[in-house]
Amino acid sequence: DGGITQSPKYLFRKEGQNVTLSCEQNLNHDAMYWYRQDPGQGLRLIYYSQIVNDFQKGDIAEGYSVSREKKESFPLTVTSAQKNPTAFYLCASSIDDRGHSEQFFGPGTRLTVL
Amino acid sequence: AQKVTQAQTEISVVEKEDVTLDCVYETRDTTYYLFWYKQPPSGELVFLIRRNSFDEQNEISGRYSWNFQKSTSSFNFTITASQVVDSAVYFCALSLLTTDSWGKLQFGAGTQVVVTP
Repeated sequence: DGGITQSPKYLFRKEGQNVTLSCEQNLNHDAMYWYRQDPGQGLRLIYYSQIVNDFQKGDIAEGYSVSREKKESFPLTVTSAQKNPTAFYLCASSIDDRGHSEQFFGPGTRLTVL
Repeated sequence: AQKVTQAQTEISVVEKEDVTLDCVYETRDTTYYLFWYKQPPSGELVFLIRRNSFDEQNEISGRYSWNFQKSTSSFNFTITASQVVDSAVYFCALSLLTTDSWGKLQFGAGTQVVVTP
């Protein structure tokens, strides 16, 4: 089945630890995105990648880092510098980054800082 | 800067009632795309519709219909004869086609729809 997988589904982190969220897609999409969702709010863009080995900061990139070494994979690292990391994280991909293509979303990872 | 407003935080209806979700957007661009997504309790966003700024034709897909009015910068969504499975959060989103905005979706805050039997 084609789609986007995210792991883990739930993640607990102690303060001061870095954690990495996995995102894999087998849709052969060029563009990939990371969003953060807080209760009662819409999605906010953290980072996006238009092509392998290239990525740009979104609206709330501070405290996060990404890599795009393979077309299929776009992992997100939540660093200890992120002040309030508890949130629901969604990964998405689209066939291109032209703005007219719909984005397909993964099931999300719920991160809780203890 | 672009902005999407979904003023309704939550709408509760009884099954078979119609429900309309409002979406108002702001942009100075003349070319843009509007989207609606559904987020069921499982969390994954599901794409519902895309509309470009040059196409103001209303669209119907089964029990879903969309009314796009450029004059009022609105892209409203109606669910006819609602069902319990329609219970979800619905997001409206805007995408611009300028170089520095390519691929970025500006989301509204979402509207929670609760359909009770």
